Amino acid sequence: EVQLVESGGGLVQPGRSLRLSCTTSGFTFGDFAMTWFRQTPGKGLEWVGFIRGKANGETTEYAASVKGRFTISTDDSKSIAYLQMNGLKTEDTAVYYCTRDPTSQFSSSPRDWGQGTLVTVSS
Amino acid sequence: DIQMTQSPFTLSASVGDRVAITCRASQSINSWLAWYQQKPGKAPKLLIYKASSLQSGVPSRFSGSGSGTEFTLTISSLQPDDFATYYCLQHNSYPLTFGGGTKVEIK
Repeated sequence: EVQLVESGGGLVQPGRSLRLSCTTSGFTFGDFAMTWFRQTPGKGLEWVGFIRGKANGETTEYAASVKGRFTISTDDSKSIAYLQMNGLKTEDTAVYYCTRDPTSQFSSSPRDWGQGTLVTVSS
Repeated sequence: DIQMTQSPFTLSASVGDRVAITCRASQSINSWLAWYQQKPGKAPKLLIYKASSLQSGVPSRFSGSGSGTEFTLTISSLQPDDFATYYCLQHNSYPLTFGGGTKVEIK
């Protein structure tokens, strides 16, 4: 059974950093791309970015709103995906979800989602 | 970025009703569209992928149609478990973008 569990969320001040983890099990981690989404009451669901699987060079793509501030990475030995968030803004407040994509190459229509972790950016 | 316009915003219906939700893309996305159902406090659940393919385990009362710029999610006979919020997602090009959501409420 595929399982995705996010952790690392919490309250953080504007300008600070936070790293989210997505601990996975039930599949060969490096064979799949991993996508991060977020959800706010005001802006709905938003694609944050993704990392391709090992066969596709583990390259990344990001939404314009987070590019240069957020970094997605993986630790294949631990089957964990990370979302490093730097320079946090109040508008980054959201529930963050990690997902497993159907392929190694594309961010698409994931079936498998974590339960989400809440990040609140506030002074 | 591709804009996804979803309608209606809310939909009031009764058990047994046939309901339809529409998503329009600002440019052609071929058939690269998925539909999700979300209940409060839960992650979205994939219902339909590639515009019309039913995800395994999803009841057959759910169906998807369309291509290019106009897509529809239809629930043939609304059941109590179907009262939720529905989202479309285009994955034709980055950034992926969602529709604004449709809340299906009990009439």
